[in-house]
Amino acid sequence: NAGVTQTPKFQVLKTGQSMTLQCAQDMNHNSMYWYRQDPGMGLRLIYYSASEGTTDKGEVPNGYNVSRLNKREFSLRLESAAPSQTSVYFCASSEAPSFPAALFTDTQYFGPGTRLTVL
Amino acid sequence: TQLLEQSPQFLSIQEGENLTVYCNSSSVFSSLQWYRQEPGEGPVLLVTVVTGGEVKKLKRLTFQFGDARKDSSLHITAAQPGDTGLYLCAGGSMRFGAGTRLTVKP
Repeated sequence: NAGVTQTPKFQVLKTGQSMTLQCAQDMNHNSMYWYRQDPGMGLRLIYYSASEGTTDKGEVPNGYNVSRLNKREFSLRLESAAPSQTSVYFCASSEAPSFPAALFTDTQYFGPGTRLTVL
Repeated sequence: TQLLEQSPQFLSIQEGENLTVYCNSSSVFSSLQWYRQEPGEGPVLLVTVVTGGEVKKLKRLTFQFGDARKDSSLHITAAQPGDTGLYLCAGGSMRFGAGTRLTVKP
């Protein structure tokens, strides 16, 4: 059972280049998430998908787009990479939608991360 | 905006010592989670606390949710090198604190 997988593991881009980060889960989870992790700032939510066919913005969505391709896959796209997007990106999934946010007890399962450097 | 502040930011101790790390907010949370993250990996859930005043134990780890549901603590008894990692708390709307980086030296 692979859980949550992410590709690639490492990536170096030049400013202005585009790329897509791939994420897949094999746990039949409804909800999927993309976070970025920067030193001293913890994890910040970029986008999430509460169910197949829906996506919503998180705390830091600017400069990113997402696609929930099917129940298993949730991709994150950088259309024109900037040095400020240098970070470690984590995808996660959980069994049920977490919203409304007043009650949040879902267990999120995280992938191993993608380390992205934008020069 | 519900901000979660964790302290201390860094903690380095010897094997066998006890320690407590904290997660504080000015906002009330319906529930709060603690995760541990090891280098090069994603966070892994340790516990979820949902009731004010709740105490949960996981072997040598004791988690407490404040009575007012604005803060939480994690206490580790007789720390071991395997406890080394980044400890993150998370609250509603999938907001995470910056974490406490713990190093336990043999």
